[in-house]
Amino acid sequence: NAGVTQTPKFRVLKTGQSMTLLCAQDMNHEYMYWYRQDPGMGLRLIHYSVGEGTTAKGEVPDGYNVSRLKKQNFLLGLESAAPSQTSVYFCASSLQGPSSYEQYFGPGTRLTVT
Amino acid sequence: RKEVEQDPGPFNVPEGATVAFNCTYSNSASQSFFWYRQDCRKEPKLLMSVYSSGNEDGRFTAQLNRASQYISLLIRDSKLSDSATYLCVVNSRSGYALNFGKGTSLLVTP
Repeated sequence: NAGVTQTPKFRVLKTGQSMTLLCAQDMNHEYMYWYRQDPGMGLRLIHYSVGEGTTAKGEVPDGYNVSRLKKQNFLLGLESAAPSQTSVYFCASSLQGPSSYEQYFGPGTRLTVT
Repeated sequence: RKEVEQDPGPFNVPEGATVAFNCTYSNSASQSFFWYRQDCRKEPKLLMSVYSSGNEDGRFTAQLNRASQYISLLIRDSKLSDSATYLCVVNSRSGYALNFGKGTSLLVTP
């Protein structure tokens, strides 16, 4: 099993450009999450999904959109990138709710917005 | 007040030393507690869950104090490979997600 994979690993965008980050998991997990990690800020939850076709806002959702059309994929979109969105983005998944089940993380996407 | 607070460190300790980290959480109704480990420029990985009665996994011991709302992690006989950032994690108020502390950095030196 590949676990949780993320595409791309690195990306540089100009302000105002758009892009989509792809997260895929092959563990048949119901829950999926998108986090961003910035120096001194720790991991902050952007959006999450509790099952195929569902999404919900996390702590810092502004400027991002998500979709979960297939159970194994969770997409994070930036419609108009801003320098404040420069960060490392981690996707994670868990079999069920994270209170009882381990969250598995992908390797991360390093995004720079200039 | 942040949901989960940790001393960022860094903690610099020699090999073989014992080191302890604490973290505090703000939601008294929290039920689930974890320690995750994150190596430099890598993804976080679960180190261990924290149970009310305390639990041990090899050289690692986790304790929970609900009355004072803090969690601790004790590492005995530190190894060079223990150098990492340790994240204290508590379930969110919604129950659907986790709140991560900012992490405590540990550097074990020869």
